[in-house]
Amino acid sequence: GAGVSQSPRYKVAKRGQDVALRCDPISGHVSLFWYQQALGQGPEFLTYFQNEAQLDKSGLPSDRFFAERPEGSVSTLKIQRTQQEDSAVYLCASSLFGTGGGGELFFGEGSRLTVL
Amino acid sequence: AQSVTQLGSHVSVSEGALVLLRCNYSSSVPPYLFWYVQYPNQGLQLLLKYTSAATLVKGINGFEAEFKKSETSFHLTKPSAHMSDAAEYFCAVRGNNNNDMRFGAGTRLTVKP
Repeated sequence: GAGVSQSPRYKVAKRGQDVALRCDPISGHVSLFWYQQALGQGPEFLTYFQNEAQLDKSGLPSDRFFAERPEGSVSTLKIQRTQQEDSAVYLCASSLFGTGGGGELFFGEGSRLTVL
Repeated sequence: AQSVTQLGSHVSVSEGALVLLRCNYSSSVPPYLFWYVQYPNQGLQLLLKYTSAATLVKGINGFEAEFKKSETSFHLTKPSAHMSDAAEYFCAVRGNNNNDMRFGAGTRLTVKP
């Protein structure tokens, strides 16, 4: 696609529900990132994929958070047993290159999760 | 590990005035530095990036930033603010061997008529 696409744009969940957020990166981009952005804050790194391999998941806040990218394209971020502190905008980004830095990240519009 | 600090969470300028948004980085090796802009309910859009080719980097919408190693800074400037520049601005750093990009806390720019 022309840009990074995320769905749903808005999600309201009751505490304890599971949610799944989808990211469709730019076609051909090797790297895919998930970030969490709390209200009034900068994006915080969650996890990184190079193709289908999850190379870094050090930013995932708990074992309730799980991400996958099984075919090296579309990625899903799953949050189990949601808590109110999970309320945030979840940003997905892709980058043409793998490791080696220098390349900018292209961001989707984000999925805003509200946990009641 | 690389990190960036943005000085000033809010900056207010008059239309036509100089815009200066401050960013300092912490890195043990020469980093790659970026400025992104975020409009309400939208994702982040790249303004410009520094990748060691030139210390003065020109970006979109009339913005530019200068990499100063001696000051570990990468401040964003624009000579004359427009109303449409009102947004949140994020400085970010990405190391040569690091996969992820680290962001500052952001600076909200307000432009007064």
